[in-house]
Amino acid sequence: DIQLTQSPSFLSASVGDRVTITCRASQGISSYLAWYQQKPGKAPKLLIYAASTLQSGVPSRFSGSGSGTEFTLTISSLQPEDFATYYCQQLNNQRTFGQGTKVEIK
Amino acid sequence: QVQLVQSGAEVKKPGASVKVSCKASGYTFTGYYMHWVRQAPGQGLEWMGWINPNSGGTNYAQKFQGRVTMTRDTSISTAYMELSRLRSDDTAVYYCAREHSGYPVGVYWGQGTLVTVSS
Repeated sequence: DIQLTQSPSFLSASVGDRVTITCRASQGISSYLAWYQQKPGKAPKLLIYAASTLQSGVPSRFSGSGSGTEFTLTISSLQPEDFATYYCQQLNNQRTFGQGTKVEIK
Repeated sequence: QVQLVQSGAEVKKPGASVKVSCKASGYTFTGYYMHWVRQAPGQGLEWMGWINPNSGGTNYAQKFQGRVTMTRDTSISTAYMELSRLRSDDTAVYYCAREHSGYPVGVYWGQGTLVTVSS
């Protein structure tokens, strides 16, 4: 099984901050990676797929990069509605999610 | 618009089975794979598997092999996920998610179904 490790697991930030979340895969997955945002009591929302393609309707302050085993999700200027938990997911071999990164208000 | 409406909350005893439904509308049901993902209380997301509604073919996560069965009824555009031999650690919200049109990732999600396993 391919394991995904996100860092950090918890992040405290302020509105306007630039935020970066890292996702590392236990083996190479090319660009078969997606990022989701989840708010309490809600289903996950797709933000980015194919490592760097922004899903339609997602604000451009979200961006993704990486390939192989290391990937990043960047929020260029954190907005109040961005406080949530973020998950990466690999699609190279079945599917696996990272453990999540909770972004909270500083 | 695409909608996935799941069945209501369930309470089951250990050892029992549960079957969750996911009724799709707003698109051609047989055109997109359907995934199932679960989330235990306060925990992360866990992928369970997918079903190809066109062929009925399935792909299950190894962890659930032998305990999970995914089926569909194309006449009513509904996918099902049945989990057997339930344990307390199967208590979770179960989601169905339809694949994106151009990439094998879940883009449309059901509202979730809480399954509680308790004696």
